[in-house]
Amino acid sequence: DSGVTQTPKHLITATGQRVTLRCSPRSGDLSVYWYQQSLDQGLQFLIQYYNGEERAKGNILERFSAQQFPDLHSELNLSSLELGDSALYFCASSVVKGETDTQYFGPGTRLTVL
Amino acid sequence: GQQLNQSPQSMFIQEGEDVSMNCTSSSIFNTWLWYKQDPGEGPVLLIALYKAGELTSNGRLTAQFGITRKDSFLNISASIPSDVGIYFCAEPNSTRGTSYGKLTFGQGTILTVHP
Repeated sequence: DSGVTQTPKHLITATGQRVTLRCSPRSGDLSVYWYQQSLDQGLQFLIQYYNGEERAKGNILERFSAQQFPDLHSELNLSSLELGDSALYFCASSVVKGETDTQYFGPGTRLTVL
Repeated sequence: GQQLNQSPQSMFIQEGEDVSMNCTSSSIFNTWLWYKQDPGEGPVLLIALYKAGELTSNGRLTAQFGITRKDSFLNISASIPSDVGIYFCAEPNSTRGTSYGKLTFGQGTILTVHP
């Protein structure tokens, strides 16, 4: 158990819909990262938040957005869903924000878009 | 952006055999990370390497940071069934001295161990 929790574990929805994935970081961790894992793209960084502020952006679509709340939990919002958005979405957290910080990954949310 | 080429893509071995996998990059790295992902779980950090030439062990796992700083190797000795999973190399991006924590992952090596 990494200490990072993600809900829900599974999500099945239809194209065009909007979903929200939730992540609670490890106690004391200020940085939250979101990653997408798919068969064709592998494991890809989406976005990072540090203490409530966006820190870095990766290959995140404009239909996707995220935020980190004052209690440090984070939500990833996916809208106008397409079949290709079906993937595993992981949240990770670390103490600060630097390259030497260990990132602890949650168990992931499996999104299926039908 | 930076790309990590990881090989082999998959390995099927017998319990007790040693395993070796590697990762190469077109860029020079300051840090190499090796993660393992068990089925149905998120990746877990196995080994972190911070210096060229560094050789680090974690139980039956040994990883090395290549001297050219463009490659890294992970070896697993005397494999056991619980070694099954996907192994990823990763690099935390940093640009011009600014630290970023975001990770770039290799494509992964799927390891299957037959009892």
